Amino acid sequence: AQKVTQTQTSISVVEKTTVTMDCVYETRDSSYFLFWYKQTASGEIVFLIRQDSYKKENATVGHYSLNFQKPKSSIGLIITATQIEDSAVYFCAMREDGNEKITFGAGTKLTIKP
Amino acid sequence: AQTIHQWPVAEIKAVGSPLSLGCTIKGKSSPNLYWYWQATGGTLQQLFYSITVGQVESVVQLNLSASRPKDDQFILSTEKLLLSHSGFYLCAWSPGQGSYEQYFGPGTRLTVL
Repeated sequence: AQKVTQTQTSISVVEKTTVTMDCVYETRDSSYFLFWYKQTASGEIVFLIRQDSYKKENATVGHYSLNFQKPKSSIGLIITATQIEDSAVYFCAMREDGNEKITFGAGTKLTIKP
Repeated sequence: AQTIHQWPVAEIKAVGSPLSLGCTIKGKSSPNLYWYWQATGGTLQQLFYSITVGQVESVVQLNLSASRPKDDQFILSTEKLLLSHSGFYLCAWSPGQGSYEQYFGPGTRLTVL
């Protein structure tokens, strides 16, 4: 069974710095997809970035990038040049290939201070 | 552009009463559709998914049911609400066919008293 673990309950950083959020996953499949989503205070959930298990290159979208360490079953999210509006809860999620079941982690609350 | 709409925005219901929540996706034909439940401060728990009209798969058993009567519509319902049904219900869609990221609706906040 697939499992996603986010051990950081909350993180607080100063604006314009870089932050890394951790996520580890468990799966028996050799092919899978990893995602990061952001949930704002209003409840809105937004897809941020995706990593396919077969790709060696770390995904990057805007000021979001991933640190994919397949041997450690780890997919960290890196946000550079953080802004106040990056304050939100960030969820890591996984989907095994050929399976529509998606498992989410517990989430990490990020607070950006001025 | 695709849009996803959920209704109602919020509901306050009594224990034992029926419930029906809806979700409509416009601008995308044959999307994959999903229902999630989120407790306050909690993670997202996938409830159901549907790949095609008329077919719905259950992921967890929470005394809820789902149906997909039209290509662009997904309905979540129960005949008898429990206190444990309170929470935030989110509908999501995915393009499928190699694009697996999901796009979420604004959600419905349900309070069961």
